[in-house]
Amino acid sequence: KAGVTQTPRYLIKTRGQQVTLSCSPISGHRSVSWYQQTPGQGLQFLFEYFSETQRNKGNFPGRFSGRQFSNSRSEMNVSTLELGDSALYLCASSLTGFMNTEAFFGQGTRLTVV
Amino acid sequence: QQQVKQSPQSLIVQKGGISIINCAYENTAFDYFPWYQQFPGKGPALLIAIRPDVSEKKEGRFTISFNKSAKQFSLHIMDSQPGDSATYFCAATGQKVTFGIGTKLQVIP
Repeated sequence: KAGVTQTPRYLIKTRGQQVTLSCSPISGHRSVSWYQQTPGQGLQFLFEYFSETQRNKGNFPGRFSGRQFSNSRSEMNVSTLELGDSALYLCASSLTGFMNTEAFFGQGTRLTVV
Repeated sequence: QQQVKQSPQSLIVQKGGISIINCAYENTAFDYFPWYQQFPGKGPALLIAIRPDVSEKKEGRFTISFNKSAKQFSLHIMDSQPGDSATYFCAATGQKVTFGIGTKLQVIP
């Protein structure tokens, strides 16, 4: 059974640019959630999608957005990048949602903003 | 605002010893408390989880103790091994998930 796949693994972007990250969940999983991981703030919840609808959202500015497609694959977009957006971005998939069932994380996308 | 406080942030334990990591939460709406283990370069992996109607859950060398009235829960790793060296995160979920800051555990031979 294939795990959660995140692409790309590494990205370097310039301030002001935008970036799109991709997450392919485990087959059959309908919930995809996104997290930002930094040494100072730890793991912070960005948002969760379930059956193409955003179900929950964390406390991040509107520059952070996402979507989910009918095959449950999800993308996360960050516009007008800032230096502080440099982080490891993780996605996790689960059958029905993080609060109810086990969530499986991908290896993450390491974003560096210069 | 950190809704889940985790301590210590780093821990060094001798091989064969007991590693103990503590977490405290504020929101009584949380109803699922998982622990995650993360190795460098990897995403977190679920280690063990507990719901508030249970005071203790054991899986192999890993035990969660849960104190609902004190709003605290802890992870105990018995007979700690060098392979357990990783970062451990507690989490609390309700409508959303909140993670602790993480504990970097080093088990020395």
